Amino acid sequence: TQLLEQSPQFLSIQEGENLTVYCNSSSVFSSLQWYRQEPGEGPVLLVTVVTGGEVKKLKRLTFQFGDARKDSSLHITAAQPGDTGLYLCAGANAGNNRKLIWGLGTSLAVNP
Amino acid sequence: GAVVSQHPSRVICKSGTSVKIECRSLDFQATTMFWYRQFPKKSLMLMATSNEGSKATYEQGVEKDKFLINHASLTLSTLTVTSAHPEDSSFYICSASPLIGADTQYFGPGTRLTVL
Repeated sequence: TQLLEQSPQFLSIQEGENLTVYCNSSSVFSSLQWYRQEPGEGPVLLVTVVTGGEVKKLKRLTFQFGDARKDSSLHITAAQPGDTGLYLCAGANAGNNRKLIWGLGTSLAVNP
Repeated sequence: GAVVSQHPSRVICKSGTSVKIECRSLDFQATTMFWYRQFPKKSLMLMATSNEGSKATYEQGVEKDKFLINHASLTLSTLTVTSAHPEDSSFYICSASPLIGADTQYFGPGTRLTVL
């Protein structure tokens, strides 16, 4: 059974601080997606990483896919209250009928 | 692009009634759609995978006779919660995978179901 361990589960920080969220697995993924979800809404895709070692940037967010495609990280620089939300990572395996393996999520609160 | 709609956004029903939730991909065709259930501040729990023109594949522990899924076209899937009970109250979310760009799922806005 494939598992994706996401940490931390909860994070409360002050505006302007930096943070990193990790997703780790013993399994290799063909790609990994990061989503952000606000209460009462569906998850919104932030990025898909496909190549081992790949780094993608989205404004203050930096996403990295591990060289072996087993882990990924999301780093937020100078967090703002608007970054508050639930961050979810999900791994895809080509042989899995398109099902995604989900991390447990990181609930981030950025306090002004 | 890649917009998924879900209707209704919120529904309240009496115990014992059935509720249908629609999921539509508005600007792309989706061979595969997924139905999830989510509890507050928790991750998504996959209920079933729906492929156009074939029977849905249900995850272990999900009753297929209670959660009926129909994927009638490449842009529409429906989830019917039959004989709903208060324990079925939850946030239900659908997602759709485009024909190209296989691994990515695009999510609907979710449906809040409350069973009285």
